[in-house]
Amino acid sequence: EVQVVESGGGLVQPGRSLRLSCTSSGFTFGAYSMNWFRQAPGKGLEWVGFIRSKAYSGTTEYAASVNGRFTISRDDSKSIAYLQMNNLRTEDTAVYYCARENSQLLRFYYYYMDVWGKGTTVTVSS
Amino acid sequence: DIQMTQSPSSLSASVGDRVTITCRASQSISSCLNWYQHQPGKAPKLLIYAASTLQSGVPSRFSGSGSGTDFTLTISSLQPEDFATYYCQQTYITSLYTFGQGTKLGIK
Repeated sequence: EVQVVESGGGLVQPGRSLRLSCTSSGFTFGAYSMNWFRQAPGKGLEWVGFIRSKAYSGTTEYAASVNGRFTISRDDSKSIAYLQMNNLRTEDTAVYYCARENSQLLRFYYYYMDVWGKGTTVTVSS
Repeated sequence: DIQMTQSPSSLSASVGDRVTITCRASQSISSCLNWYQHQPGKAPKLLIYAASTLQSGVPSRFSGSGSGTDFTLTISSLQPEDFATYYCQQTYITSLYTFGQGTKLGIK
């Protein structure tokens, strides 16, 4: 079964760090870019960032709201993507999701997230 | 940034109804538009990608249309399992994906 499972969430104080994991199975993890998203209480979905596959240099991109504080990495040998969150703020409280990014060549390449996890909850509070 | 605006923000409908949700982009995004369904406590589910391509395994009562700045998601005959929040997402800018604010579909 193709799936991704997030873990590592919890309660953390403002200014502290937390690392989330996204463990994948059922597909060739290294061939895909992996994204992180979040949903704050009562809010909609927000893109956090992604990491490209090694075939596309493994580079990362981040939303402005987390740039400089969050870092995405990957271990293709373990089929895991990580989200390292530093200097956490109360506004980072959310359910965090990881998702596989897929693409299809039609007129040009279209990108979409076709495999999602159920999320892990991060609460930043003193 | 590309802003995505969905309407309505919420609506109530009955089983068997035809429902249409719209999504407008602040600039042209060609057909780089996806639709997701999200139910509380569950993983978001991809319904439509590239504006009108039905994801494998998604029932044919779901359809998408549009290009440029205006898009629609239509559910032809609502089923009980369709009550959820629906999001559009643009992937035109590959490093700044953005979602609409969501449309909560409730039971009338």
